[in-house]
Amino acid sequence: SQTIHQWPATLVQPVGSPLSLECTVEGTSNPNLYWYRQAAGRGLQLLFYSVGIGQISSEVPQNLSASRPQDRQFILSSKKLLLSDSGFYLCAWGRTYNSPLHFGNGTRLTVT
Amino acid sequence: GQQLNQSPQSMFIQEGEDVSMNCTSSSIFNTWLWYKQDPGEGPVLLIALYKAGELTSNGRLTAQFGITRKDSFLNISASIPSDVGIYFCAGLVRGAQFYFGTGTSLTVIP
Repeated sequence: SQTIHQWPATLVQPVGSPLSLECTVEGTSNPNLYWYRQAAGRGLQLLFYSVGIGQISSEVPQNLSASRPQDRQFILSSKKLLLSDSGFYLCAWGRTYNSPLHFGNGTRLTVT
Repeated sequence: GQQLNQSPQSMFIQEGEDVSMNCTSSSIFNTWLWYKQDPGEGPVLLIALYKAGELTSNGRLTAQFGITRKDSFLNISASIPSDVGIYFCAGLVRGAQFYFGTGTSLTVIP
C-alpha cells in the first residue's frame, strides 16, 4: 500500500530564516505530487505541483519554491521566511492528474 | 480560479442525528471528492465520484455526484462523536487541478 510521509510536524522559525519541508511517498512510482497551504480559515491553496522529476508548476507567486530531486520526494523551500508564510502546509500525491489526492499529516509552520 | 461553495459552514447536531451538506459550483466538474480533516492532521479521502448521478456509500456516509455536474452532496447517517471534524469537497475540471471548498465544520453533541 502507499504511504506519504511529511516532516517536520511543527516548526517555529524566525522571520528571514530559510525553510525546508520534505515529503516522500512510498509504494508507488511516478506519482503526481502537490504542496498545499491551509490558512486558519480552512481553505486549501495549491502552491506547487509536479508530474515528474525536475518538473515543477507554480500556482501562486510567492516567497516559496519547490523541488523534486527524486521520483517520490518533494521539497518546499524558502530562502527568507516572511510572517505571512505561517500556516499549515500539506503535501499530497495522486496517481494521475485526475486521481484522488492523498494527503500527508501536514507541517504547522509558525514564523515569528 | 473555480469557486466551490460549501454549505453549511458549520453544524451542531445531536449524536444519532443524520447530517447533510453540499457543495455547488457555477462550473462543470468531472470528479468530485469528499474529505474529512481532524484537527492538526491532513484531510483523509472519504468518497470519490466520477459520473453524473453516481451515488456511493462508505459505511454511514453516502455521497452523490449531481446530475448537472455542478454540485455534490454528502450525507452522514446516525452521527457519532468521532464524526466531528471538518468536511471538504473537492472538484476536478478535466485537464486542470482540484479545487477545494471552504469546509463544513461538524460538531456532534453526545
